[in-house]
Amino acid sequence: NAGVTQTPKFQVLKTGQSMTLQCAQDMNHEYMSWYRQDPGMGLRLIHYSVGAGITDQGEVPNGYNVSRSTTEDFPLRLLSAAPSQTSVYFCASRLQGRGAGYGYTFGSGTRLTVV
Amino acid sequence: RKEVEQDPGPFNVPEGATVAFNCTYSNSASQSFFWYRQDCRKEPKLLMSVYSSGNEDGRFTAQLNRASQYISLLIRDSKLSDSATYLCVVSSSGNTPLVFGKGTRLSVIA
Repeated sequence: NAGVTQTPKFQVLKTGQSMTLQCAQDMNHEYMSWYRQDPGMGLRLIHYSVGAGITDQGEVPNGYNVSRSTTEDFPLRLLSAAPSQTSVYFCASRLQGRGAGYGYTFGSGTRLTVV
Repeated sequence: RKEVEQDPGPFNVPEGATVAFNCTYSNSASQSFFWYRQDCRKEPKLLMSVYSSGNEDGRFTAQLNRASQYISLLIRDSKLSDSATYLCVVSSSGNTPLVFGKGTRLSVIA
C-alpha cells in the first residue's frame, strides 16, 4: 500500500515553461487536493476534487489546471511557469465524509523552483 | 477573521515539560477537527483526530470546545523528537476542503 505518491520530488523550470506534477493514490479515496506551501503562508489550497470528473478551485487557482479522469490520479498542470510559483506542492487525499476518520493523507511533496 | 488561527510560536520548552497549544476557528458549522504534525521539509502527518468529548493518545491530549470554537493540544513529558510544527485543521462537511492553520512551532530543548 503506497498511499499518496507524488512525482517528481524536485524540479527546476524556466519562466514560461509548462509541466505536470503527478499525484496518485491507491487507497480508493474520493477526495483529492493540491496545496502549495510557502514560508509564513501555511498551506494554501489550489484545486480539489470530490471524485472522478469533478474538480473545483481553491484559494489560489490562477496559473494551474487540474483534471480527474480516474479515482487514483489527480495531476496538477502549470500552464506557464512564473517565479511566483516557486513553492513546495503537496497532494493529499481522504475518504469523503466528516468526523474523526476523514483526515488527509499527504504525499511527500514536490519542490519546484522557477528561474 | 481567519478561518483557523494559531499562535505561530516558537514555543521553546525543556525536555520533560508540558506544553499546550490552542487553535480557534471561525466557522461554527465545523464538524471535523484534527491536529497534524509537520517536520522541517516534510509532509504534514496526522497526529490525532479531535473528538467532541476530548481524547488522549499516549502523551498527547486533544480537547474541543464548540461553544468557544477552539481546540487544544496538550503534550506531556516533552521529548526532543516532539520538535516540529503543529497544524490545526478543521472542516465543515464531508465535501468541503480541510482548512489548515499556519501552524505552531515547537522546539524541545535538552
